[in-house]
Amino acid sequence: DAGITQSPRHKVTETGTPVTLRCHQTENHRYMYWYRQDPGHGLRLIHYSYGVKDTDKGEVSDGYSVSRSKTEDFLLTLESATSSQTSVYFCAIATGTSNNEQFFGPGTRLTVL
Amino acid sequence: GENVEQHPSTLSVQEGDSAVIKCTYSDSASNYFPWYKQELGKRPQLIIDIRSNVGEKKDQRIAVTLNKTAKHFSLHITETQPEDSAVYFCAALRVGANNLFFGTGTRLTVIP
Repeated sequence: DAGITQSPRHKVTETGTPVTLRCHQTENHRYMYWYRQDPGHGLRLIHYSYGVKDTDKGEVSDGYSVSRSKTEDFLLTLESATSSQTSVYFCAIATGTSNNEQFFGPGTRLTVL
Repeated sequence: GENVEQHPSTLSVQEGDSAVIKCTYSDSASNYFPWYKQELGKRPQLIIDIRSNVGEKKDQRIAVTLNKTAKHFSLHITETQPEDSAVYFCAALRVGANNLFFGTGTRLTVIP
């Protein structure tokens, strides 16, 4: 499982509330990613990090922010959740000689009512 | 950015038959192509990958082929078994860009 955990695993929240999802890794990987998975869309990159305090946007970053204050933790924040952000969120780390091989965490199912 | 298309969206095969899933990509600079298997309620798992300097790669019953000129790559599963039933995703990456772009998935059902 590449030493990746996500918390919470399930969350139900209401529109307009802030939500923070946590990804934790134990193997000191430099690259970490947040994806969302929706039917008909596969997995889409939200944000990624290439080191402590180094982050960049993915293809669906609107409405999301991230932070990485230490190597092992990558946080995804929905400042004001909307129903369109109901999804399954996966964290991933990259490894391999060129940091190409990505391995996923167990996922967080988020429902915004 | 990259656009990855995947076909078919669903595929049913009899146990023991072969299954083929095809993907096309748009960015000629993409040079790393992984395949993931996702069982219901589980995380995607990397099952095989190929780099652009290789035309084919095999690992037991699964193989991946790449045609750089046509910008398409395929997953081949031989002697399918019920435990191969899952959703399979292809993806493409331009090395150095760190962004994986995924296809929309193929639901494979192996009928015993």
